[in-house]
Amino acid sequence: AQSVAQPEDQVNVAEGNPLTVKCTYSVSGNPYLFWYVQYPNRGLQFLLKYITGDNLVKGSYGFEAEFNKSQTSFHLKKPSALVSDSALYFCAVRDPRGNRLAFGKGNQVVVIP
Amino acid sequence: DTGVSQNPRHKITKRGQNVTFRCDPISEHNRLYWYRQTLGQGPEFLTYFQNEAQLEKSRLLSDRFSAERPKGSFSTLEIQRTEQGDSAMYLCASSFRGGFGANVLTFGAGSRLTVL
Repeated sequence: AQSVAQPEDQVNVAEGNPLTVKCTYSVSGNPYLFWYVQYPNRGLQFLLKYITGDNLVKGSYGFEAEFNKSQTSFHLKKPSALVSDSALYFCAVRDPRGNRLAFGKGNQVVVIP
Repeated sequence: DTGVSQNPRHKITKRGQNVTFRCDPISEHNRLYWYRQTLGQGPEFLTYFQNEAQLEKSRLLSDRFSAERPKGSFSTLEIQRTEQGDSAMYLCASSFRGGFGANVLTFGAGSRLTVL
C-alpha cells in the first residue's frame, strides 16, 4: 500500500525567506504525487501534481515541487514566503493502478512577519 | 459552479444515534470520494464512486457505515449506532475521470461529527 511521510510537524519561516516542506513517499511502481493546502474552516485546495514528465512542477500561488525518484521525495518549495502562506500542507501519493490517495499527516507552516 | 457542497457542516449526536451526511459534487464530475480526517492527521480514504457504482471501500468502512450515490449525482454517508471514535471531519471530494482534471480532487469544506 502507498504511504507518505511528512517528517516535520511545523515549519517556521520568516516572511520573504525561502519555504520548504518535506515529503517522502512509498509506492510500488511510478507514483502520482500531489500537494494540497488547508486553511482554517476551508476544504483542502489543490496546489500541484506530478504525474510524468519534468521533475520540477509549478503550481498555484508561486509554489513548486521537485520529484526525486532516487530519494523518493517530493518536497514543496516557494522562493519567498508570504504571511498568507501560513496554513496546513498535505502531501499525497496515489498508486496509478488504484483510485485512492494516501495523505501524509500534514505540516503546519507558520510565516512570521 | 459552486464547488463541492457538504451538509450539515457540524453534527453533534449522542452515542448510539444514526447520522447522515450529504455531499453534492461539482456537476460535471463523475468520480466522488469520501475521506475521514481526525485532529493532527491527514485525510484517510473511506470509499469511492464512479457515477453511481461504489467501486472501492476501505477496511475503515465498518458495517456501521454505508455510502450511496443513487443517481450518480449527490452522495450520502450514513453512520449507524455512532461511537465516540467516529468523531471526526468527514470530507467529500469529486473529480473528472479524464483530461487535465483527472486525479485532481476538489474537496468540500467537510462535515464535522461530534459524538457525545
